[in-house]
Amino acid sequence: DVKVTQSSRYLVKRTGEKVFLECVQDMDHENMFWYRQDPGLGLRLIYFSYDVKMKEKGDIPEGYSVSREKKERFSLILESASTNQTSMYLCASHSPGTGPYEQYFGPGTRLTVT
Amino acid sequence: RKEVEQDPGPFNVPEGATVAFNCTYSNSASQSFFWYRQDCRKEPKLLMSVYSSGNEDGRFTAQLNRASQYISLLIRDSKLSDSATYLCVVKEVRGGSQGNLIFGKGTKLSVKP
Repeated sequence: DVKVTQSSRYLVKRTGEKVFLECVQDMDHENMFWYRQDPGLGLRLIYFSYDVKMKEKGDIPEGYSVSREKKERFSLILESASTNQTSMYLCASHSPGTGPYEQYFGPGTRLTVT
Repeated sequence: RKEVEQDPGPFNVPEGATVAFNCTYSNSASQSFFWYRQDCRKEPKLLMSVYSSGNEDGRFTAQLNRASQYISLLIRDSKLSDSATYLCVVKEVRGGSQGNLIFGKGTKLSVKP
């Protein structure tokens, strides 16, 4: 069974803090994704990575960066947290070429920036 | 702009009812389509892929109309456990097997006893 884990379920940070959200998958998937989900806006793609050390901007990358030093780990970084980054953050992984396309999601991190 | 549009609901239906969700997508070149299910405070999970000829999985039937760029999900004999948000999802067009998913905002279903 595919497992995607995220470092925290709930996180409270102050404005201006640097925030790290970690995601680990155990299925040797090449592709990993970071989304945020907000009421009325749905899931929006922040960054994605198709390989180690590779990263590409998604639809809303501003205020975020990512790191993919190892295949199983994809980190999302908020350099200077702001209140408009309060959201649910979801990580997902996928392996291309293995049957029907399916992204497997982690349980999410609910981040509150005060 | 690539978009997937859904009726947000909520759909409040009694147990045993048949309910249908609709979705439209803007990119006529899209090739792959899905319905994901998201329970309250949980992560999204794949419910079913949607194939051109339509497909069925138990009480769930998915249909695709490429000409109208329209996807549907029909749930028959609704159960309390079907209560969730249903996300219409389209895979964007990109070379090979790559391509990211574009998610609709979801339709909330509440099945009442």
